[in-house]
Amino acid sequence: DSGVTQTPKHLITATGQRVTLRCSPRSGDLSVYWYQQSLDQGLQFLIQYYNGEERAKGNILERFSAQQFPDLHSELNLSSLELGDSALYFCASSVLGTPSSGANVLTFGAGSRLTVL
Amino acid sequence: GESVGLHLPTLSVQEGDNSIINCAYSNSASDYFIWYKQESGKGPQFIIDIRSNMDKRQGQRVTVLLNKTVKHLSLQIAATHPGDSAVIFCSESDDLGGNNRLAFGKGNQVVVIP
Repeated sequence: DSGVTQTPKHLITATGQRVTLRCSPRSGDLSVYWYQQSLDQGLQFLIQYYNGEERAKGNILERFSAQQFPDLHSELNLSSLELGDSALYFCASSVLGTPSSGANVLTFGAGSRLTVL
Repeated sequence: GESVGLHLPTLSVQEGDNSIINCAYSNSASDYFIWYKQESGKGPQFIIDIRSNMDKRQGQRVTVLLNKTVKHLSLQIAATHPGDSAVIFCSESDDLGGNNRLAFGKGNQVVVIP
């Protein structure tokens, strides 16, 4: 158990639907990251939050959105789902240090597998 | 268990032998590199990291070498055992310590043969 909790583990839904994936970061970690891992793209960074605020955006579609709540858990909302959105979605967390303290090691959850039919 | 399913390069190694996984990167501004492994059904797990001011770093059974001149790094795993079977990723970041914009390679499938 990495300390990062993701729910649900598996989700099957239909095209056009909307789903919400949830992530609880490791205790003490302030930053949450979302990644998509698909068959042809590998691990792609979607978005990062730090202490409730959006910090960085990657290849996140406009149909997708996320937020981090005051208790630091995060949700990734995927809407108007398409077949190509089928993938593993990983959440990771880290303690965001200052530049002088070195970089942050990501701790990943076990992922949520989304299947869009 | 679940697998990524990518058509990944595969490295088969006999149990007890050493394995070497290579990674090339293109961003000359990258200053921090991390190796992760992903076992079937799990998320990526940290193996070892190295900063650009170093060319070698050793951990338990693992050594990472960094050659900034040719933008290449390698991960050596000593005395591999079946538990080392996993997809191994290298990742790079151009923002040391701050915004963690890691870019991941697609990975290498390491298969340890008992």
